[in-house]
Amino acid sequence: GENVEQHPSTLSVQEGDSAVIKCTYSDSASNYFPWYKQELGKGPQLIIDIRSNVGEKKDQRIAVTLNKTAKHFSLHITETQPEDSAVYFCAASRGTGFQKLVFGTGTRLLVSP
Amino acid sequence: KAGVTQTPRYLIKTRGQQVTLSCSPISGHRSVSWYQQTPGQGLQFLFEYFSETQRNKGNFPGRFSGRQFSNSRSEMNVSTLELGDSALYLCASSLEGRAEKLFFGSGTQLSVL
Repeated sequence: GENVEQHPSTLSVQEGDSAVIKCTYSDSASNYFPWYKQELGKGPQLIIDIRSNVGEKKDQRIAVTLNKTAKHFSLHITETQPEDSAVYFCAASRGTGFQKLVFGTGTRLLVSP
Repeated sequence: KAGVTQTPRYLIKTRGQQVTLSCSPISGHRSVSWYQQTPGQGLQFLFEYFSETQRNKGNFPGRFSGRQFSNSRSEMNVSTLELGDSALYLCASSLEGRAEKLFFGSGTQLSVL
């Protein structure tokens, strides 16, 4: 069935360091991979996404890479700041015609000043 | 532009009762989906509506139901509440009914006592 594994479950870094979160998906039909950031008391917020026909996408300090063959995708945050502290979720979807996202289990990122 | 609005923000019910949660999507968005978030199971897809029609349903018992109105607003209902139904219920909307660019509300925190 559809499954997305996410690692690590918690990640502590010093301000200015880089953080990497990795996900693996099982459904070969998945072709859309978003990343969400959830702060306390709020709903998930889309921060970056990638489609299966793209290997890498970057938006300022955030980048996502996708390896379709290995069914792996990763989130990279550079020059981390305390306000990056939150829970991050990866997700996968079959895309067109489907609004269903299959989420990973989340990574709690703590950035210490 | 207002985001996805969910009401109420918090709800306390007892076992056996039923509950109705409301969601107003972003203006112009025609599709709404619902997710349940718990510490143990993470984010799980409940169902998805597009133009008042349920297009997809997750693996939840029939006690969980929903509907969408002509103005795209949506409600979900849980009957015969169980302790395990305690969760954050999130509503999300998108413009074209796809998983891409899915925007979430802040959720309704349901506690079943």
